[in-house]
Amino acid sequence: EVQLVESGGGLVQPGGSLRLSCAASGFTFSSYAMHWVRQAPGKGLEYVSAISSNGGSTYYANSVKGRFTISRDNSKNTLYLQMGSLRAEDMAVYYCARADGYSHDYWGQGTLVTVSS
Amino acid sequence: DVVMTQSPLSLPVTLGQPASISCRSSQSLVYSDGNTYLNWFQQRPGQSPRRLIYKVSNRDSGVPDRFSGSGSGTDFTLKISRVEAEDVGVYYCMQGTHWPWTFGQGTKVEIK
Repeated sequence: EVQLVESGGGLVQPGGSLRLSCAASGFTFSSYAMHWVRQAPGKGLEYVSAISSNGGSTYYANSVKGRFTISRDNSKNTLYLQMGSLRAEDMAVYYCARADGYSHDYWGQGTLVTVSS
Repeated sequence: DVVMTQSPLSLPVTLGQPASISCRSSQSLVYSDGNTYLNWFQQRPGQSPRRLIYKVSNRDSGVPDRFSGSGSGTDFTLKISRVEAEDVGVYYCMQGTHWPWTFGQGTKVEIK
């Protein structure tokens, strides 16, 4: 059974940093691109970042470029999102999702990031 | 970026009646390989998104056959033949043809 379990969310002050993790199981992690998608409270889905299966290619939404870094450790079956210079508008539930080519076929349960002083 | 526009944004429906959601893209979603990477997701209250339909009309495993997808080019539709109580939630279309992938605004389906 495919499972994606996010962790690392919490309360952080504006300007602070946080690292999210997504532990994957039930599939060959190193064969899939992985993505982060976020959802602000009461809002829709927003694409944040993506990484290729071997980590060689990455993508960032303009809203997070230069502040967030996506990475993965295929030996640990884990996806990461290092978030810095956090702003109030970054407050959201962050989901990791597996990409099966041109869509997301599995999603985690999400982890909440709250940015507030 | 490709803009995905859904309508309506709110859809009150009567149990057992059909429902239809439209999704339009600002560019054709036909990829160079001939496929059209238009997907539909369901997000029930308090849950993560779940994919229902991929490549316009293919249902994911476990998705009831009352859900169907259709369309081509820039115009797509998700239909629920007979709405059940468990169908309440927000439905999103998403394109995976052009980078970056983009989502529609979401359509909230509720029971009248």
